[in-house]
Amino acid sequence: GNSVTQMEGPVTLSEEAFLTINCTYTATGYPSLFWYVQYPGEGLQLLLKATKADDKGSNKGFEATYRKETTSFHLEKGSVQVSDSAVYFCALRGPRGRRALTFGSGTRLQVQP
Amino acid sequence: NAGVTQTPKFQVLKTGQSMTLQCAQDMNHNSMYWYRQDPGMGLRLIYYSASEGTTDKGEVPNGYNVSRLNKREFSLRLESAAPSQTSVYFCASSVGRNEQFFGPGTRLTVL
Repeated sequence: GNSVTQMEGPVTLSEEAFLTINCTYTATGYPSLFWYVQYPGEGLQLLLKATKADDKGSNKGFEATYRKETTSFHLEKGSVQVSDSAVYFCALRGPRGRRALTFGSGTRLQVQP
Repeated sequence: NAGVTQTPKFQVLKTGQSMTLQCAQDMNHNSMYWYRQDPGMGLRLIYYSASEGTTDKGEVPNGYNVSRLNKREFSLRLESAAPSQTSVYFCASSVGRNEQFFGPGTRLTVL
């Protein structure tokens, strides 16, 4: 079946530091890949997505590239802000059939001023 | 637009009690989902409804039932709550296989 593995957190960074959160996946075929963000006390929001190999998703300074050869979708940001403190979830949806998402366990990011 | 709304926000139950979690969306989405979020495990799908009148089991359906009341509303029922059902429950909706929009969650504690 499908699965998503994320690096464990928490990740603690100083403001303006470079961020990488690793995500690898297992799936048959060519899944769609997503990053969701959850701010304290809120539901999940879609941050970015990529639907085919070599696609790069980007939003709010965050980027992730769909790497089929390494089955990865790592999240990066060049300069984090305190307001980026949240939990980040990597997720996939299979290429056919069920519409639901398979999520990783989440990575908590704490950015200190 | 309110998006996806969930009630209640918090609930404490005793083992064996029953309750229904309510979810509604005003985006005219055809698909709706219930997930549970547990520490260190991400979100896991309980049930989903691809369209009005249909429901299907997800990864962890045991102990739950659902009702797709109409296109807007999708409820989750716990008939006899157990401590293992202590979790945060999220409802989501989408148009087909497009982006899923999530509600703010219901934090449930079963004593």
